[in-house]
Amino acid sequence: IAGITQAPTSQILAAGRRMTLRCTQDMRHNAMYWYRQDLGLGLRLIHYSNTAGTTGKGEVPDGYSVSRANTDDFPLTLASAVPSQTSVYFCASSETGTDPDTQYFGPGTRLTVL
Amino acid sequence: EDQVTQSPEALRLQEGESSSLNCSYTVSGLRGLFWYRQDPGKGPEFLFTLYSAGEEKEKERLKATLTKKESFLHITAPKPEDSATYLCAVQANQAGTALIFGKGTTLSVSS
Repeated sequence: IAGITQAPTSQILAAGRRMTLRCTQDMRHNAMYWYRQDLGLGLRLIHYSNTAGTTGKGEVPDGYSVSRANTDDFPLTLASAVPSQTSVYFCASSETGTDPDTQYFGPGTRLTVL
Repeated sequence: EDQVTQSPEALRLQEGESSSLNCSYTVSGLRGLFWYRQDPGKGPEFLFTLYSAGEEKEKERLKATLTKKESFLHITAPKPEDSATYLCAVQANQAGTALIFGKGTTLSVSS
């Protein structure tokens, strides 16, 4: 089934550790996104990429970095995790220019930073 | 500032009891308004995209409508399987591809 896969499903991480959340899509969408979802705050955009080789900052980018080496993969890295980064992280993708910007989401990664 | 407000925060219905969820938005030029369904522990599932005031879209027991200031998600004769959190998001003309989400309405339908 076509869609977005994320790994790991969940992770408990010690503060100060480095962590990479993986996201892969097989829909050949040009744009990809990372959101975090927190109780009472809703979904907030961390970083995005409109096409392979380019990235941009969203609403809450501090403490996170991304890369987009190819169309399918969009990893999110926490260089030195802090407890405030405890959240559920969702990757999404869209095909801009055809079905304008309807974003399709992955199943999420639940991250706990202790 | 672009903003999305959903109401109510939570809604409890009996099976078959129709109702509506509201999404009010303030955006500097609307490119699109999106409705998603999210089940516990899952990612948001796309339902509808609305582009212009007066537009309506339907899917099974759900119908989404759009005005210049708000959108409604009407649920007709809901079933327990319609229980979920419904998310509304907008995309502004000047914001590129970024979506601005509301905090959602959690719907519980009991039999």
